Amino acid sequence: DGGITQSPKYLFRKEGQNVTLSCEQNLNHDAMYWYRQDPGQGLRLIYYSQIVNDFQKGDIAEGYSVSREKKESFPLTVTSAQKNPTAFYLCASTLDRSSYNEQFFGPGTRLTVL
Amino acid sequence: GDSVTQMEGPVTLSEEAFLTINCTYTATGYPSLFWYVQYPGEGLQLLLKATKADDKGSNKGFEATYRKETTSFHLEKGSVQVSDSAVYFCALSDLSHRSGGSNYKLTFGKGTLLTVNP
Repeated sequence: DGGITQSPKYLFRKEGQNVTLSCEQNLNHDAMYWYRQDPGQGLRLIYYSQIVNDFQKGDIAEGYSVSREKKESFPLTVTSAQKNPTAFYLCASTLDRSSYNEQFFGPGTRLTVL
Repeated sequence: GDSVTQMEGPVTLSEEAFLTINCTYTATGYPSLFWYVQYPGEGLQLLLKATKADDKGSNKGFEATYRKETTSFHLEKGSVQVSDSAVYFCALSDLSHRSGGSNYKLTFGKGTLLTVNP
């Protein structure tokens, strides 16, 4: 079955540590996205990538980094510079840049800073 | 900039009740409109979409009509079930111009929690 996988489902981090969240898709989609979800705030865009080896900052990129070395993979690193990283992180992908194509979402990773 | 405003929850209904979740938007271009649903502990799933004015999206008994004159995309269902309990997000997709190029950016509302009791 085609889809988006995220791992791990739950992640605990000590303050000052970097952690990397995995996102893989086998939908052959060009564009991939990372969102952060906080209670009562909807989803906010962290980074997005429209093509391999290229990515752009979203609305809240500070304290995060990404890479896009393969079409299927778009890992997100939460660095120690992110002051409030506890949140639910969602990865998404879409076929291309057309507005008619909906984004498909992974199951999410819940990150908790201890 | 673009924005989406949806009615704040939580919304609590009895099974078989009629559901309306209001959604209005502000956009500079001609956006596509979406409703997504999120079940507890899961990612978002597309519920329905509409790509131009007067289009009606429908799925699983849910409907929403793209009203350009009122900039609205209200979600309705005639008879809700317990299994409809979830968070519902209204979203729009519009062209966003950034320093690295252009792309269609999704802008989400804050979500409405629906609880349906038996």
